Amino acid sequence: DVKVTQSSRYLVKRTGEKVFLECVQDMDHENMFWYRQDPGLGLRLIYFSYDVKMKEKGDIPEGYSVSREKKERFSLILESASTNQTSMYLCASSPGTSLGDTQYFGPGTRLTVL
Amino acid sequence: AQSVTQLDSQVPVFEEAPVELRCNYSSSVSVYLFWYVQYPNQGLQLLLKYLSGSTLVKGINGFEAEFNKSQTSFHLRKPSVHISDTAEYFCAASSNFGNEKLTFGTGTRLTIIP
Repeated sequence: DVKVTQSSRYLVKRTGEKVFLECVQDMDHENMFWYRQDPGLGLRLIYFSYDVKMKEKGDIPEGYSVSREKKERFSLILESASTNQTSMYLCASSPGTSLGDTQYFGPGTRLTVL
Repeated sequence: AQSVTQLDSQVPVFEEAPVELRCNYSSSVSVYLFWYVQYPNQGLQLLLKYLSGSTLVKGINGFEAEFNKSQTSFHLRKPSVHISDTAEYFCAASSNFGNEKLTFGTGTRLTIIP
């Protein structure tokens, strides 16, 4: 079974802090994704990566950056957290072997910025 | 560009009754279509997907969906729901060329009434 793990289920930070969200997958997948989930808005793609050290902006990259130094790990960074970044953050991975691949999701990190 | 519309944000259904969750998409190119389910306090998992071939797709837990190109729809159905089907359901689309970026609908919360 594919397993995608996220470093924290719940996180509380203060405005202006630098925040790191970590995601690890154990299936040697090529692609990894970061989404945020907000009520009434569904999931919106922040960034994705199709290879080590490669990244592409999603639909809402402002205020975020990412890092992929190893294939299994994809980090989301909030350089200076703001209250409007309070949200549920979901990481996903997919094999990258063909279009239409299934994405496998982690359990999510609920981030509150005070 | 593509978009996915789930018109029903909440659907209450009595236990053992049938249910249909609606999804419409718009895209200038051919798409792949997905339904994901999110149980309380969990990440998303794939219910089913349409890539090509038969327009009726069967998924896990007794769910099925029908791809209708002329109606640009991909509605999800189950003939008899159970309490355990209480969850949020997301329709998603990706194009059949380029990258694997998914566009999600805003979700439908299915509540089963005993």
